[in-house]
Parts: sequence; structure tokens; C-alpha cells
Amino acid sequence: DGGITQSPKYLFRKEGQNVTLSCEQNLNHDAMYWYRQDPGQGLRLIYYSQIVNDFQKGDIAEGYSVSREKKESFPLTVTSAQKNPTAFYLCASSPSTGATGDTQYFGPGTRLTVL
Amino acid sequence: GDSVTQMEGPVTLSEEAFLTINCTYTATGYPSLFWYVQYPGEGLQLLLKATKADDKGSNKGFEATYRKETTSFHLEKGSVQVSDSAVYFCALSDLDNYGQNFVFGPGTRLSVLP
Repeated sequence: DGGITQSPKYLFRKEGQNVTLSCEQNLNHDAMYWYRQDPGQGLRLIYYSQIVNDFQKGDIAEGYSVSREKKESFPLTVTSAQKNPTAFYLCASSPSTGATGDTQYFGPGTRLTVL
Repeated sequence: GDSVTQMEGPVTLSEEAFLTINCTYTATGYPSLFWYVQYPGEGLQLLLKATKADDKGSNKGFEATYRKETTSFHLEKGSVQVSDSAVYFCALSDLDNYGQNFVFGPGTRLSVLP
């Protein structure tokens, strides 16, 4: 089955530690995205990438870093510089054909808790 | 910049009631419009979409019509079920210098009581 996988589903970390969230897609999509969702809130864009080896900051990139070395993978690192990292993190992808109607597909999410 | 506004929730309805969730947008270009649904602890799933003015998107009994004159994309369903309880997000997609850009509304939580 084609889709987006995120691992792990639940992640715990101690303050001051960096942690990396995995996102893999086998949809052959060019574009990938990372969002943060806080309880009762909408989605806020952290980073996005339209092509391999290129990515752009979103609205809340501070304290996060990404890489896009392969088309199918877009890992997100939450660094110790992120002051309030406890949240639900969603990865998404889209075909990015140049049309606004391309659908964005989402993974199941990773819930990060800082202890 | 582009933005999406949704009606405040939560919305609580009885089973078989009529549902409307209002959504309006502002955009500088000619966006496509989407409704996504999120069940507890899961990612978002596409519910329906429309790519140009007067298009109607529909799926699983839900409908929304792209109204350019009122910049709206209201979600409707004639008879809701308990299984429709979820959070609904209105979104638009536009193109910027780097490619496709999505903007989401804050979400509307729907609870359907038996």
C-alpha cells in the first residue's frame, strides 16, 4: 500500500536532548512538509521541501532542523533550542505538479512529550 | 498573506441532524479549496476538494461549493452520524515562489450524539 509512515508513534525525551522524527513516503511525491499541532489548535508549518536537497523554513522553524537527502525521506530534528517541543507532529506530502489542486497526504503523526 | 477562517467550535448535534461548518478565505491568487477530517490521535484525511469557482466537492454525504463571490467553502451534510464525530479543517492551496503552499483553518470539532 502507498502512503506515509511516521515513527515512532509516541516519543519521550528529556529536556536538553535532541530527537529526530522519521517520515517516509512511497507515493513518489516531490514535496514534503512538517507541521506541528498543539491541543485544540490548527496546524502550523515548520519546514517544507519541494525537491531533494532543498527545503524552506515555515512559520515556526526556530528550534527545528530538517534534511532531504532522498526523495522518500524527510526527517525532522527537534533540538534543545526548541523551548516548548511537546506537541503532535504531522508529516505530509504532495505530488507538486504545479497545480494548486494537488492533494496533500498526511502520515499518522508522532506525539512528542518532553519530560 | 493567505488565510482561512472557520466557525468556532465545538459543534454538538444529534444524530440525523443537518450540519453546516462555515469556512471563508482570503487569497491573492486563485487557490484550490479543501476539507480535511481528523479523528482522535490520527493524521488528517482528505474529505473533499474543489479547484475552481462553482465546483462542488462531495464525499461520504458531505458537500462543499467553491463560491468565489463570497470567498467561501462551507461544509454541509444532510444527516450526520455518530461516526462523523471528528475535527474538520478547511484549507486552501496556492502557489508561491517555491511551489505549492497550504494554509489551514483552526479546525472545528464536531460531536454527534446518539
